[in-house]
Amino acid sequence: NAGVTQTPKFRVLKTGQSMTLLCAQDMNHEYMYWYRQDPGMGLRLIHYSVGEGTTAKGEVPDGYNVSRLKKQNFLLGLESAAPSQTSVYFCASSGAGTSARKEQYFGPGTRLTVT
Amino acid sequence: DAKTTQPPSMDCAEGRAANLPCNHSTISGNEYVYWYRQIHSQGPQYIIHGLKNNETNEMASLIITEDRKSSTLILPHATLRDTAVYYCIVRVGNNQGGKLIFGQGTELSVKP
Repeated sequence: NAGVTQTPKFRVLKTGQSMTLLCAQDMNHEYMYWYRQDPGMGLRLIHYSVGEGTTAKGEVPDGYNVSRLKKQNFLLGLESAAPSQTSVYFCASSGAGTSARKEQYFGPGTRLTVT
Repeated sequence: DAKTTQPPSMDCAEGRAANLPCNHSTISGNEYVYWYRQIHSQGPQYIIHGLKNNETNEMASLIITEDRKSSTLILPHATLRDTAVYYCIVRVGNNQGGKLIFGQGTELSVKP
């Protein structure tokens, strides 16, 4: 049981390049999330998904696209990277239902630098 | 979701209790208080949550005031491994996709 895994762990991009970050979870969770964290800041929600085939915008969605084609995977795409997207990206997942005890499980993060 | 206010940093001696305060004066009746922590740039880790009663688990205790406008996370015997940024978050259970809105948190330093 690996929990939440992220690929790659590190990446350096040039301005204008594109890339996709992959998040995978093996806990059969319905909900998945992408956050970014800038130095000295808390996490900010980019996009999230409440089930396979559905996605929704979070606090800071501009410049990013996501897809949830399979329940266990959540992809984050940068179509044309900008230096402002230099950040650490965290993926998370959680179970569905109305119970309040649905904590989010986080991956180890992807450190992205855009030059 | 209601906003929270936390001190930016705190120190605690190893072996002593760490008491981390959080103000959430605009909390609604159906909003829960959650605590997460982030150790040295790892992904955040869930600690505990509560609605209005005090809660305790193997990691910590959560004390919520009667008017629910503030709460305190207690680590009863802090160790060096508890050095982390602690986030207090309020949200409505698992509705709205279970979204979490993080503030800047409290950086707790546990010193020998």
